[in-house]
Amino acid sequence: DTAVSQTPKYLVTQMGNDKSIKCEQNLGHDTMYWYKQDSKKFLKIMFSYNNKELIINETVPNRFSPKSPDKAHLNLHINSLELGDSAVYFCASSPWTSGPLETQYFGPGTRLLVL
Amino acid sequence: DAKTTQPTSMDCAEGRAANLPCNHSTISGNEYVYWYRQIHSQGPQYIIHGLKNNETNEMASLIITEDRKSSTLILPHATLRDTAVYYCIVRVRSGAGSYQLTFGKGTKLSVIP
Repeated sequence: DTAVSQTPKYLVTQMGNDKSIKCEQNLGHDTMYWYKQDSKKFLKIMFSYNNKELIINETVPNRFSPKSPDKAHLNLHINSLELGDSAVYFCASSPWTSGPLETQYFGPGTRLLVL
Repeated sequence: DAKTTQPTSMDCAEGRAANLPCNHSTISGNEYVYWYRQIHSQGPQYIIHGLKNNETNEMASLIITEDRKSSTLILPHATLRDTAVYYCIVRVRSGAGSYQLTFGKGTKLSVIP
C-alpha cells in the first residue's frame, strides 16, 4: 500500500531526448510537489499543484513541464534533456496547500542520468 | 542553512534506545533542528523538529541543549525497520528557503537483531 509512488525508479537517457516521470499518491492529499536533489544532496522544490492547479513554480527551465490530470497524479515532462538535468527527482504530497515541508510525504525518487 | 556534524555510523541492538547525536554550533536564532531519515531506495521521511524545547512524537524524541549547539534524536525502542541513514538538518521554517533541504552525510544507523 505505497503512499506516494513514482515511475520509473531509474532513467538513463541521451542528451536531447524527451522523457516523463510519473507520480501517484493514494493518500487523498490535495497538494503534490516535485523536488530535485542534486549530487551534493541539496533538495529543492520545483513545482507544487493543489487540486490540479499550479501553486508554486520555482525558477526552473521551461523544458520542465508538470502535468496534473487529477489530484492524485502529478507527472513531470522534461524536453531536450541536458547533462545538468541528471539528479534524483522526488515527488511529494501533503494534505494542505503549501503545507510546511514536514507535512509532506515523499516518493522513492527517480534517478535520472543524462549521457 | 547552518552546518551540522554527525557520526558516520552507529549500531544499536533491537529493542534498545538509539541515541543519535548532532552538533550544530553555528545555528542561528530562527533556525529549527529537523531530523529526517532515508531508508534504502526510499525518499526522505520526516521524523521530528524543534526550536529550543525538547519534543516528542510517535516516532522519536528530540533533546536540544540549552545553548542549542547540539541535539540528540532518540528512537526509544529501535526495530530492524529503523535501519536507515539519519540526517540532522538546521533550517528556517518559513519564507525563502523553507522548501529546501541540505542533506549532509548523516549517520547510518544499523539495528542489529
